[in-house]
Amino acid sequence: SAVISQKPSRDICQRGTSLTIQCQVDSQVTMMFWYRQQPGQSLTLIATANQGSEATYESGFVIDKFPISRPNLTFSTLTVSNMSPEDSSIYLCSVEPPQGRETQYFGPGTRLLVL
Amino acid sequence: GENVEQHPSTLSVQEGDSAVIKCTYSDSASNYFPWYKQELGKGPQLIIDIRSNVGEKKDQRIAVTLNKTAKHFSLHITETQPEDSAVYFCAATETGRRALTFGSGTRLQVQP
Repeated sequence: SAVISQKPSRDICQRGTSLTIQCQVDSQVTMMFWYRQQPGQSLTLIATANQGSEATYESGFVIDKFPISRPNLTFSTLTVSNMSPEDSSIYLCSVEPPQGRETQYFGPGTRLLVL
Repeated sequence: GENVEQHPSTLSVQEGDSAVIKCTYSDSASNYFPWYKQELGKGPQLIIDIRSNVGEKKDQRIAVTLNKTAKHFSLHITETQPEDSAVYFCAATETGRRALTFGSGTRLQVQP
């Protein structure tokens, strides 16, 4: 399985500001995803990070609020823009390794609190 | 789109007993069903998965069964230990997509 790291591991932010979360993988992967996990809840897919093209967003998530970059096959960023307290969540990246056949591995998550 | 329902939401067992968590899915074309364990403060960890061409899969104390006709799959943990205490999530793929749809989670508490 791939080794995935996320930065920062946690942060406390003021409303109206933006935070960029980084996801780094120790090997090249085909697919990278970003999920949100609200307190005590399940995981909801935000978007699929596509290398070399724009991310594919799920219903209810828009690029202006959650811009995503994927400059290469081992790295992606998610920005949470113009934050409000409702954005307080755990943000998780996941990867599907080459020949992974839908198998996904998750990073440790970024715990965000917006005041 | 795919909808995954998971039961129970909480489960308390005595150490050494078995635990069973059940999920149902809506998209009959789904073909991949993983289970994740999430400990406090950590990301989800893949513990076992099953594909639609298999009815059962076992890995030591953990097993998963799949009934494609009824569109449900279950996680079985035998000889539970306190370190099995965590939140467990089931998930399923959607047709033509690689991203996962998750169940609502089950908080398992193993009492020593």
